[in-house]
Amino acid sequence: AQKITQTQPGMFVQEKEAVTLDCTYDTSDQSYGLFWYKQPSSGEMIFLIYQGSYDEQNATEGRYSLNFQKARKSANLVISASQLGDSAMYFCAMREGGGGSYIPTFGRGTSLIVHP
Amino acid sequence: GAGVSQSPSNKVTEKGKDVELRCDPISGHTALYWYRQSLGQGLEFLIYFQGNSAPDKSGLPSDRFSAERTGGSVSTLTIQRTQQEDSAVYLCASSQTSGRNNEQFFGPGTRLTVL
Repeated sequence: AQKITQTQPGMFVQEKEAVTLDCTYDTSDQSYGLFWYKQPSSGEMIFLIYQGSYDEQNATEGRYSLNFQKARKSANLVISASQLGDSAMYFCAMREGGGGSYIPTFGRGTSLIVHP
Repeated sequence: GAGVSQSPSNKVTEKGKDVELRCDPISGHTALYWYRQSLGQGLEFLIYFQGNSAPDKSGLPSDRFSAERTGGSVSTLTIQRTQQEDSAVYLCASSQTSGRNNEQFFGPGTRLTVL
């Protein structure tokens, strides 16, 4: 079974509008971390935002927020006021596992295109 | 400060040759990860180092793949007898520890093309 599922292979959004990128995860661990990364066409992976499984508040970082619904095992990324530079691949990732070693697994990614 | 660096940035090789890919993590980062990304695909986990030891080699696709890390720093990923299906971008990442809240910092990748 997929650990991380990103069901949207591609998304389009108008500049200045908000967009939600979906991510659901599968784990039986109680302690885990969820991450979103951005990969522009240049190829470098850029960390955006983190949510811990025990965090009760949704994480926010500037225009990025994570809509964390633990019971539904979803961790959607919300980008507000989209900019042209937001066009990129977006990957959801999860760190799970005990014993101090949390191996990250990644979803297949969502391609976001921001239209002017 | 210096980020994660990888070399070479591009490598073209002939089928059957061996290749070595190098990763220099951020200084002080104890955890180091290798991933493979094929065109239009997500990241495929290959191997993880904590210090110099590799607790998890489960992602290595075959015994042609091996990796080592020395001095808790530089890591090399070696692919022996390369095949065309090995063509991909190989990404290295490091994190301060392997804890659940540690984000990874990625290098720019090595694009490997096997002819």
